[in-house]
Amino acid sequence: EAGVTQSPTHLIKTRGQQVTLRCSPISGHTSVYWYQQALGLGLQFLLWYDEGEERNRGNFPPRFSGRQFPNYSSELNVNALELEDSALYLCASTLPGTDTGELFFGEGSRLTVL
Amino acid sequence: AQSVTQLGSHVSVSEGALVLLRCNYSSSVPPYLFWYVQYPNQGLQLLLKYTSAATLVKGINGFEAEFKKSETSFHLTKPSAHMSDAAEYFCAVSDFSASKIIFGSGTRLSIRP
Repeated sequence: EAGVTQSPTHLIKTRGQQVTLRCSPISGHTSVYWYQQALGLGLQFLLWYDEGEERNRGNFPPRFSGRQFPNYSSELNVNALELEDSALYLCASTLPGTDTGELFFGEGSRLTVL
Repeated sequence: AQSVTQLGSHVSVSEGALVLLRCNYSSSVPPYLFWYVQYPNQGLQLLLKYTSAATLVKGINGFEAEFKKSETSFHLTKPSAHMSDAAEYFCAVSDFSASKIIFGSGTRLSIRP
């Protein structure tokens, strides 16, 4: 069974540009979470999508946005990139109806902003 | 609101020695608690989870953790460290009242030969 897949794995952008990161959850998983892992800051919760709806978002500015498609895949968009957006962006999925919070993570998209 | 604190951003032990990684949580409701491991250039992988059953939880690769409500702790241990245990470890608490899983800042484990 395929795990959570993310693309691209690495990318370099310059300040002010826009980026789109993609995530495909494990088959049968309907919830997708996005986390930002910046150096030395641990994992910061960004967004949670379930059944195509945004259910919750973390303390990030509106230039961080996303969506979930009918096939449960998801995109994370970041506009007007800033240097501090450089980080590993992790996507995770989970089973529908789970009440334990066990997440299955992809390997991440490493974004460098110059 | 729930939160997690991991004491020590870096822990170094000798191969064969006891591994102890500390995690304290704050929660107004009975929590679900997790330990995840992240090997270099990889995503996170679940080591073990506590979901209000047995307080001593056994996970993969010989790790275990004990839920202590009185101490609000969920420390991760392994009796004998192996070189392959070198990785970053994250403690997490499930906060379904706010619909998110909150992670600690991580502890990097190094193993000395």
